[in-house]
Amino acid sequence: EADIYQTPRYLVIGTGKKITLECSQTMGHDKMYWYQQDPGMELHLIHYSYGVNSTEKGDLSSESTVSRIRTEHFPLTLESARPSHTSQYLCASSDRARQETQYFGPGTRLLVL
Amino acid sequence: QQQVKQSPQSLIVQKGGIPIINCAYENTAFDYFPWYQQFPGKGPALLIAIRPDVSEKKEGRFTISFNKSAKQFSLHIMDSQPGDSATYFCAARVNSGSARQLTFGSGTQLTVLP
Repeated sequence: EADIYQTPRYLVIGTGKKITLECSQTMGHDKMYWYQQDPGMELHLIHYSYGVNSTEKGDLSSESTVSRIRTEHFPLTLESARPSHTSQYLCASSDRARQETQYFGPGTRLLVL
Repeated sequence: QQQVKQSPQSLIVQKGGIPIINCAYENTAFDYFPWYQQFPGKGPALLIAIRPDVSEKKEGRFTISFNKSAKQFSLHIMDSQPGDSATYFCAARVNSGSARQLTFGSGTQLTVLP
């Protein structure tokens, strides 16, 4: 079983608030990813990182930002949350030796009022 | 632009039935095709994967059939069980770039009735 953790699992917050979604993995994986998933819909890649101090935007445009200061930690930040940010956010990581296998965390369900 | 088209959106079968989920793609640069299984409240987990140099791969009750010329691949679940009820996503990966991104299908919600 993959050791990748996300907190909080659920978050309800008002418009305009700054939020940070946490993601940590204990597998030493160099690649990490953030996906956005609306209920019953496909996963869209919004950010990825292939190592410390390296981050890239994904296919889906997002107002969020990410940082990768430590290998195991890949937080996602929204400076000013809006109702359009309501979604599920999934973090994943993959290994250099087995890049094909992405291990996912349990996700954070965000509701912006 | 949806690069991986998945169908059906939902599927209901009786226990013991053989649900089939189909995916089609256009990008011939895709070189790896995994299937993920997602239970409610959980993140997706890799179920089975195939490369385009083989036409079929089996792992337990799960089989991927791959048709390179038609640019289609499908997941078959033999002797389906209620515990298989989940959302299934196909995906495809282009072998370029250091991150090797996955493109996901839209998902199929499978319900296996007891």
